[in-house]
Amino acid sequence: AQTVTQSQPEMSVQEAETVTLSCTYDTSESDYYLFWYKQPPSRQMILVIRQEAYKQQNATENRFSVNFQKAAKSFSLKISDSQLGDAAMYFCAYRYPGQGAQKLVFGQGTRLTINP
Amino acid sequence: SQTIHQWPATLVQPVGSPLSLECTVEGTSNPNLYWYRQAAGRGLQLLFYSVGIGQISSEVPQNLSASRPQDRQFILSSKKLLLSDSGFYLCAWSPRNQGARQPQHFGDGTRLSIL
Repeated sequence: AQTVTQSQPEMSVQEAETVTLSCTYDTSESDYYLFWYKQPPSRQMILVIRQEAYKQQNATENRFSVNFQKAAKSFSLKISDSQLGDAAMYFCAYRYPGQGAQKLVFGQGTRLTINP
Repeated sequence: SQTIHQWPATLVQPVGSPLSLECTVEGTSNPNLYWYRQAAGRGLQLLFYSVGIGQISSEVPQNLSASRPQDRQFILSSKKLLLSDSGFYLCAWSPRNQGARQPQHFGDGTRLSIL
């Protein structure tokens, strides 16, 4: 069974600095998708970034980028120039492109605090 | 554009009472639909998913049930709530037959407190 592990329950960073959130996963598949979701205090789940396992190039979305290490099954999220609005729970998720409902498997989350 | 609506936003219910949470999606057809529960300070646990009207798959044994009476409507129910049913419930949808690259899109959630 696929599992997703986020080993950092909490992280903090100074405003304008860079922070990296860790995520590892376990799968025997070669083709899959990885996502980072953000959940601010409003509790809404917002997609931050996604990565296709068959792509070697790391995904980037403005200040957000990932370091995808397929052999190591690692998928970390880097937030550059941290802003107060980045404070949230961040969840890493795995999705296998099989038939059917294509379920997401979530990690336990990392609570990110931004210090002004 | 597609939108997902979930209600109520907050609900306080006594133990043993029934439950009905509703989720509807607009702007798309034949979506995959999902119900998640998030306990305080924890990740999301998939409860149910549906790939079509009347088609419900349960991920974990529990006190809850789900139904999909219409293509874009997904309902989470219980006949008798337990204290352990407290939590934050999220509904989500994703496009069907468009590959796993498509993310799931979430509603705003329902905070359920059982007294």
